[in-house]
Amino acid sequence: DARVTQTPRHKVTEMGQEVTMRCQPILGHNTVFWYRQTMMQGLELLAYFRNRAPLDDSGMPKDRFSAEMPDATLATLKIQPSEPRDSAVYFCASLRSGANVLTFGAGSRLTVL
Amino acid sequence: RKEVEQDPGPFNVPEGATVAFNCTYSNSASQSFFWYRQDCRKEPKLLMSVYSSGNEDGRFTAQLNRASQYISLLIRDSKLSDSATYLCVVNNNNDMRFGAGTRLTVKP
Repeated sequence: DARVTQTPRHKVTEMGQEVTMRCQPILGHNTVFWYRQTMMQGLELLAYFRNRAPLDDSGMPKDRFSAEMPDATLATLKIQPSEPRDSAVYFCASLRSGANVLTFGAGSRLTVL
Repeated sequence: RKEVEQDPGPFNVPEGATVAFNCTYSNSASQSFFWYRQDCRKEPKLLMSVYSSGNEDGRFTAQLNRASQYISLLIRDSKLSDSATYLCVVNNNNDMRFGAGTRLTVKP
């Protein structure tokens, strides 16, 4: 059963610390998304990539967030410096070219104290 | 204004009830539409696609109204196991936007 793998599953950190979340999309999926979910805002699109190129990162606060795909098997989302308002569940999802079905990872639950 | 809007609920219904959720979207160029289901502390998973002519999958019926830019999901004969958050999704060239979700609780 093909899966999107995210690490870490849980992260507790202090304000000001750097946080890096990683995602391994399903092999052969060429579009990768980062979403953030909070009770207040629901599921927000932060950024997405196609064939490793960033297509849209307008949902991401640029001053502290950065997203990259160093290769086809790894997507990263970095927050530096982290703030308490960044506390949320961060989901990665991937999509095969020509398909419409998103497959999500289990999420990374971030708590910034 | 958010691109995809849903009534957050919660909807609390007894077993066997029929319940309907609506979702509106702002981008008239959107090409495809879906309903996802999310259980507590889990990731969203595809429930069903939404086709222009409307489509049914067992107790679930999805409809699309392009003119009014809304999508609906109807659940008939609701079961306890239907308790979850239902998210509508609007796709424009693989830019997949989610509504905030509607929470459903089905009670015995």
